[in-house]
Amino acid sequence: DGGITQSPKYLFRKEGQNVTLSCEQNLNHDAMYWYRQDPGQGLRLIYYSQIVNDFQKGDIAEGYSVSREKKESFPLTVTSAQKNPTAFYLCASSITGRGLYEQYFGPGTRLTVT
Amino acid sequence: DAKTTQPNSMESNEEEPVHLPCNHSTISGTDYIHWYRQLPSQGPEYVIHGLTSNVNNRMASLAIAEDRKSSTLILHRATLRDAAVYYCILRDRNQGAQKLVFGQGTRLTINP
Repeated sequence: DGGITQSPKYLFRKEGQNVTLSCEQNLNHDAMYWYRQDPGQGLRLIYYSQIVNDFQKGDIAEGYSVSREKKESFPLTVTSAQKNPTAFYLCASSITGRGLYEQYFGPGTRLTVT
Repeated sequence: DAKTTQPNSMESNEEEPVHLPCNHSTISGTDYIHWYRQLPSQGPEYVIHGLTSNVNNRMASLAIAEDRKSSTLILHRATLRDAAVYYCILRDRNQGAQKLVFGQGTRLTINP
């Protein structure tokens, strides 16, 4: 089945450690996105990529890094510089270019840092 | 980005219609109105979108005011599986990047 996979579903880390969240899609989409969601809030854009080897900062990129070496993969690293890393992280993908293409979301990774 | 305003929460009964309102008084001529919903502990999913005319699909209907400053998502016969947070989002059709700006949405509770 086509879709987006994120792993793991739950992730626990100690403060001061970097952690990488996985996102893979087999929809052949050019664009991929990372969002963060805090309890009771809407999603906020961290980074997005419209093509391989290129990505742009979203609204809350500080303390995060990404790479886009393959079309189907867009991993997100939460660094120790991120002050409040505990959150629900969602990856999405879409067709790119001008238009109104819907975004497809993965199931999310819930990160807890203590 | 143009902003939308939605009620924080709404409640309805199973098998009854639900009307979810959204105000977007600063909408521009190239903005489409999109709706996504997010079930508990899941990623959002696309529901419907429209520009000026009312739209229907298998999930819902979208009624857009004549002046486009408000819209209503209609679930014709709610089920327990429709309990979710519903987000009304404006998207500029000329925007290359497909950025979605999420507000807090409306949390819909369905009573059995």
